[in-house]
Amino acid sequence: EAQVTQNPRYLITVTGKKLTVTCSQNMNHEYMSWYRQDPGLGLRQIYYSMNVEVTDKGDVPEGYKVSRKEKRNFPLILESPSPNQTSLYFCASSRSGGDTDTQYFGPGTRLTVL
Amino acid sequence: AQSVTQPDIHITVSEGASLELRCNYSYGATPYLFWYVQSPGQGLQLLLKYFSGDTLVQGIKGFEAEFKRSQSSFNLRKPSVHWSDAAEYFCAVRMDSNYQLIWGAGTKLIIKP
Repeated sequence: EAQVTQNPRYLITVTGKKLTVTCSQNMNHEYMSWYRQDPGLGLRQIYYSMNVEVTDKGDVPEGYKVSRKEKRNFPLILESPSPNQTSLYFCASSRSGGDTDTQYFGPGTRLTVL
Repeated sequence: AQSVTQPDIHITVSEGASLELRCNYSYGATPYLFWYVQSPGQGLQLLLKYFSGDTLVQGIKGFEAEFKRSQSSFNLRKPSVHWSDAAEYFCAVRMDSNYQLIWGAGTKLIIKP
């Protein structure tokens, strides 16, 4: 089954404790992206990747890191989480990121930083 | 700046009634337009998209949307809603070549029995 998976689905942590949210897709997509969703703000893009070893900042990259060492995986790293990073995070992928490509979304990771 | 506006935060309709969710964008050229649905506790699923051609596009689950260039709008419609349509709906546009999607804030649809 074609899908985007994220782990963990739920995470409660404390300020400053490094964490990684994994994202994996099995569709051989080149383009992957991370979003955060906050009430009243819709989705805001954190980082995206056009292909292996190619990443770029989205609208709200501060406090986040990503890597794309292999095509299927695109982990999101919070080196020193803070409470303002409490949010719902979505990973997405698409074939090439082109204008007509549909993005497929993972189920989301709800992160709470205390 | 480029933006997407969904003016209704919540909409309540009765089951079986018709539905229209509004979406407006600000951009000089024709963007690529999308509607996504997010059911409670779920990720986002594409309902439909518009790139060019016929301005009335059909999507999944009986939804359709109409692109109106003169109004910079891409409103989502359904003739008769079902209780299972209760969800949050997001309009998104892709306006330039960096492949970023610009998202509206979402409209939460509540269905009255």
